[in-house]
Amino acid sequence: EVQLVESGGDLVQPGGSLRLSCAASGFTFNDYAMHWVRQAPGKGLEYVSAISSDGGITQYANSVKGRFTISRDTSKNTLYLQMGSLRADDMAVYYCARDGCISGSCYGWFDTWGQGTLVTVSS
Amino acid sequence: DIVMTQSPDSLAVSLGERATINCKSSQSVLYSSNNKNYLAWYQQKPGQPPKLLIYWASTREFGVPDRFSGSGSETDFTLTISSLQAEDVAVYYCQQYYSRPPYTFGQGTKLEIK
Repeated sequence: EVQLVESGGDLVQPGGSLRLSCAASGFTFNDYAMHWVRQAPGKGLEYVSAISSDGGITQYANSVKGRFTISRDTSKNTLYLQMGSLRADDMAVYYCARDGCISGSCYGWFDTWGQGTLVTVSS
Repeated sequence: DIVMTQSPDSLAVSLGERATINCKSSQSVLYSSNNKNYLAWYQQKPGQPPKLLIYWASTREFGVPDRFSGSGSETDFTLTISSLQAEDVAVYYCQQYYSRPPYTFGQGTKLEIK
Protein backbone atom coordinates (compact mmCIF):
# COMPACT_ATOMS: atom_id res chain seq x y z
CA GLU A 1 0.00 0.00 0.00
CA VAL A 2 1.30 3.42 -0.95
CA GLN A 3 1.58 5.48 2.20
CA LEU A 4 2.93 8.83 3.39
CA VAL A 5 3.21 9.57 7.10
CA GLU A 6 4.13 13.04 8.32
CA SER A 7 5.60 13.85 11.71
CA GLY A 8 7.35 16.66 13.53
CA GLY A 9 4.54 19.14 13.92
CA ASP A 10 4.60 21.01 17.23
CA LEU A 11 3.97 24.25 19.05
CA VAL A 12 6.79 26.69 18.32
CA GLN A 13 7.37 30.33 19.20
CA PRO A 14 7.48 33.04 16.52
CA GLY A 15 10.97 33.17 15.09
CA GLY A 16 11.60 29.54 15.94
CA SER A 17 12.51 26.53 13.82
CA LEU A 18 11.04 23.11 13.20
CA ARG A 19 11.75 20.13 10.94
CA LEU A 20 8.94 18.10 9.46
CA SER A 21 9.41 14.57 8.15
CA CYS A 22 7.38 12.47 5.74
CA ALA A 23 8.05 8.73 5.67
CA ALA A 24 7.17 7.08 2.37
CA SER A 25 6.38 3.41 1.85
CA GLY A 26 4.81 1.11 -0.71
CA PHE A 27 6.48 2.65 -3.75
CA THR A 28 9.93 3.40 -5.19
CA PHE A 29 10.65 6.71 -3.50
CA ASN A 30 13.47 7.56 -5.91
CA ASP A 31 11.09 7.61 -8.88
CA TYR A 32 8.88 10.44 -7.68
CA ALA A 33 9.07 14.17 -7.18
CA MET A 34 7.59 15.14 -3.83
CA HIS A 35 5.79 18.18 -2.48
CA TRP A 36 4.65 19.98 0.64
CA VAL A 37 1.24 21.65 0.75
CA ARG A 38 -0.22 23.41 3.78
CA GLN A 39 -3.65 24.37 5.03
CA ALA A 40 -4.21 27.03 7.66
CA PRO A 41 -7.11 26.37 10.06
CA GLY A 42 -10.40 26.76 8.21
CA LYS A 43 -8.66 27.88 5.02
CA GLY A 44 -7.82 26.47 1.60
CA LEU A 45 -4.79 24.65 0.26
CA GLU A 46 -1.52 26.52 -0.23
CA TYR A 47 1.39 25.09 -2.18
CA VAL A 48 4.68 25.26 -0.26
CA SER A 49 7.57 23.45 -1.92
CA ALA A 50 8.72 20.80 -4.37
CA ILE A 51 11.77 18.58 -4.80
CA SER A 52 12.68 16.55 -7.86
CA SER A 53 13.04 12.79 -7.75
CA ASP A 54 16.83 13.00 -7.50
CA GLY A 55 16.79 15.95 -5.09
CA GLY A 56 18.65 18.16 -7.53
CA ILE A 57 15.88 20.69 -8.09
CA THR A 58 13.93 22.44 -5.36
CA GLN A 59 11.26 25.11 -5.64
CA TYR A 60 9.38 27.24 -3.14
CA ALA A 61 6.38 29.48 -2.79
CA ASN A 62 7.36 33.12 -2.40
CA SER A 63 5.84 33.11 1.08
CA VAL A 64 8.44 30.62 2.37
CA LYS A 65 11.43 31.24 0.12
CA GLY A 66 14.59 31.84 2.13
CA ARG A 67 13.01 30.49 5.33
CA PHE A 68 12.13 26.87 4.44
CA THR A 69 14.31 24.14 2.94
CA ILE A 70 13.01 20.95 1.36
CA SER A 71 15.20 17.87 1.18
CA ARG A 72 14.98 14.10 0.87
CA ASP A 73 16.95 11.10 2.11
CA THR A 74 16.77 8.21 -0.32
CA SER A 75 18.29 5.75 2.14
CA LYS A 76 15.46 6.45 4.60
CA ASN A 77 12.65 6.98 2.06
CA THR A 78 11.94 10.23 3.85
CA LEU A 79 11.06 13.76 2.77
CA TYR A 80 11.87 16.72 4.98
CA LEU A 81 10.88 20.33 5.40
CA GLN A 82 13.20 22.47 7.52
CA MET A 83 11.28 25.53 8.64
CA GLY A 84 12.91 28.65 10.06
CA SER A 85 11.94 32.17 11.12
CA LEU A 86 8.44 30.89 11.72
CA ARG A 87 5.58 33.38 11.74
CA ALA A 88 1.98 33.25 12.84
CA ASP A 89 0.85 32.88 9.24
CA ASP A 90 2.89 29.68 8.90
CA MET A 91 0.52 27.97 11.32
CA ALA A 92 -1.17 25.18 9.39
CA VAL A 93 -1.52 21.48 8.79
CA TYR A 94 1.37 20.48 6.54
CA TYR A 95 0.78 17.69 4.06
CA CYS A 96 3.37 15.86 2.02
CA ALA A 97 2.18 14.67 -1.37
CA ARG A 98 3.49 12.46 -4.13
CA ASP A 99 3.71 13.75 -7.67
CA GLY A 100 1.51 12.14 -10.30
CA CYS A 101 3.69 10.18 -12.67
CA ILE A 102 2.97 8.11 -15.76
CA SER A 103 5.54 5.87 -17.43
CA GLY A 104 8.41 7.56 -15.66
CA SER A 105 7.34 11.12 -16.33
CA CYS A 106 5.98 13.26 -13.50
CA TYR A 107 3.57 16.07 -14.19
CA GLY A 108 2.51 17.90 -11.05
CA TRP A 109 -0.80 16.60 -9.81
CA PHE A 110 -0.77 14.93 -6.39
CA ASP A 111 -1.97 11.35 -6.36
CA THR A 112 -1.15 10.45 -2.76
CA TRP A 113 -1.34 12.60 0.37
CA GLY A 114 -0.33 12.02 3.95
CA GLN A 115 -2.66 12.71 6.86
CA GLY A 116 -0.82 15.90 7.73
CA THR A 117 1.03 17.28 10.74
CA LEU A 118 -0.01 20.41 12.62
CA VAL A 119 2.39 23.29 13.13
CA THR A 120 1.28 25.88 15.69
CA VAL A 121 3.16 29.16 15.93
CA SER A 122 2.38 31.04 19.10
CA SER A 123 4.08 32.64 22.07
CA ASP B 1 1.88 32.92 -10.77
CA ILE B 2 -1.26 31.57 -12.37
CA VAL B 3 -4.32 32.52 -10.32
CA MET B 4 -7.11 29.97 -10.04
CA THR B 5 -10.61 31.22 -9.24
CA GLN B 6 -13.47 28.88 -8.41
CA SER B 7 -17.19 29.57 -8.45
CA PRO B 8 -19.34 29.43 -6.51
CA ASP B 9 -17.68 29.53 -3.09
CA SER B 10 -20.44 27.30 -1.76
CA LEU B 11 -23.20 25.24 -3.27
CA ALA B 12 -26.20 23.34 -1.94
CA VAL B 13 -27.69 20.61 -4.11
CA SER B 14 -30.43 18.04 -3.49
CA LEU B 15 -29.55 14.36 -3.33
CA GLY B 16 -29.65 12.82 -6.79
CA GLU B 17 -29.32 16.17 -8.53
CA ARG B 18 -26.42 17.51 -10.56
CA ALA B 19 -23.68 19.63 -8.97
CA THR B 20 -21.46 21.86 -11.06
CA ILE B 21 -18.32 23.64 -9.89
CA ASN B 22 -16.36 26.02 -12.07
CA CYS B 23 -12.66 26.90 -12.14
CA LYS B 24 -11.06 29.68 -14.14
CA SER B 25 -7.33 30.18 -14.61
CA SER B 26 -5.69 33.56 -15.20
CA GLN B 27 -3.88 32.15 -18.21
CA SER B 28 -4.22 29.09 -20.40
CA VAL B 29 -3.09 25.78 -18.90
CA LEU B 30 -3.30 23.98 -22.25
CA TYR B 31 0.11 22.70 -23.29
CA SER B 32 0.16 22.86 -27.08
CA SER B 33 2.82 20.20 -27.60
CA ASN B 34 0.64 17.42 -26.19
CA ASN B 35 -2.79 19.10 -26.28
CA LYS B 36 -3.33 18.43 -22.60
CA ASN B 37 -4.80 20.75 -19.99
CA TYR B 38 -2.66 20.78 -16.86
CA LEU B 39 -5.58 20.93 -14.42
CA ALA B 40 -6.54 18.63 -11.54
CA TRP B 41 -9.50 18.39 -9.16
CA TYR B 42 -9.46 17.26 -5.53
CA GLN B 43 -12.07 16.42 -2.93
CA GLN B 44 -11.47 17.12 0.75
CA LYS B 45 -13.80 15.82 3.43
CA PRO B 46 -13.69 17.23 6.98
CA GLY B 47 -10.66 16.07 8.93
CA GLN B 48 -9.15 14.29 5.93
CA PRO B 49 -6.41 15.12 3.43
CA PRO B 50 -7.39 16.00 -0.12
CA LYS B 51 -8.09 13.16 -2.52
CA LEU B 52 -7.27 13.30 -6.21
CA LEU B 53 -10.36 12.98 -8.40
CA ILE B 54 -9.32 14.10 -11.87
CA TYR B 55 -6.16 15.06 -13.74
CA TRP B 56 -5.56 16.29 -17.30
CA ALA B 57 -8.85 18.17 -16.71
CA SER B 58 -10.97 15.12 -17.56
CA THR B 59 -9.16 11.87 -16.65
CA ARG B 60 -10.66 10.20 -13.60
CA GLU B 61 -8.22 8.78 -11.08
CA PHE B 62 -8.48 5.03 -10.57
CA GLY B 63 -11.35 4.17 -8.24
CA VAL B 64 -13.20 7.49 -8.55
CA PRO B 65 -16.91 6.91 -9.26
CA ASP B 66 -18.04 7.76 -12.78
CA ARG B 67 -20.58 10.27 -11.50
CA PHE B 68 -17.58 12.62 -11.24
CA SER B 69 -16.50 14.16 -14.52
CA GLY B 70 -14.27 17.01 -15.58
CA SER B 71 -14.44 19.17 -18.66
CA GLY B 72 -13.13 22.37 -20.16
CA SER B 73 -10.01 23.68 -21.83
CA GLU B 74 -7.49 26.50 -21.75
CA THR B 75 -8.84 28.77 -18.99
CA ASP B 76 -12.32 27.48 -18.13
CA PHE B 77 -13.02 24.19 -16.43
CA THR B 78 -15.92 22.39 -14.77
CA LEU B 79 -16.27 19.57 -12.28
CA THR B 80 -19.65 17.88 -12.50
CA ILE B 81 -21.20 15.39 -10.12
CA SER B 82 -24.03 13.88 -12.11
CA SER B 83 -26.13 12.57 -9.23
CA LEU B 84 -25.18 13.87 -5.80
CA GLN B 85 -24.69 11.31 -3.05
CA ALA B 86 -24.50 12.06 0.66
CA GLU B 87 -20.84 11.02 0.75
CA ASP B 88 -19.98 13.73 -1.79
CA VAL B 89 -20.35 16.48 0.81
CA ALA B 90 -16.88 18.03 0.83
CA VAL B 91 -14.79 20.96 -0.29
CA TYR B 92 -13.54 20.72 -3.87
CA TYR B 93 -10.36 22.32 -5.20
CA CYS B 94 -8.92 22.80 -8.65
CA GLN B 95 -5.15 22.99 -9.15
CA GLN B 96 -3.00 23.96 -12.10
CA TYR B 97 0.29 22.23 -12.77
CA TYR B 98 1.07 23.99 -16.04
CA SER B 99 3.72 26.33 -14.72
CA ARG B 100 6.73 24.94 -12.87
CA PRO B 101 6.25 24.97 -9.10
CA PRO B 102 4.92 26.72 -7.13
CA TYR B 103 1.66 25.29 -8.41
CA THR B 104 -1.58 27.00 -7.44
CA PHE B 105 -4.98 25.96 -6.13
CA GLY B 106 -8.38 27.52 -6.37
CA GLN B 107 -9.87 28.83 -3.13
CA GLY B 108 -12.22 25.86 -2.81
CA THR B 109 -15.94 25.26 -3.21
CA LYS B 110 -17.95 23.87 -0.32
CA LEU B 111 -20.63 21.43 -1.45
CA GLU B 112 -23.55 20.68 0.84
CA ILE B 113 -26.87 18.87 0.68
CA LYS B 114 -29.98 21.00 0.17
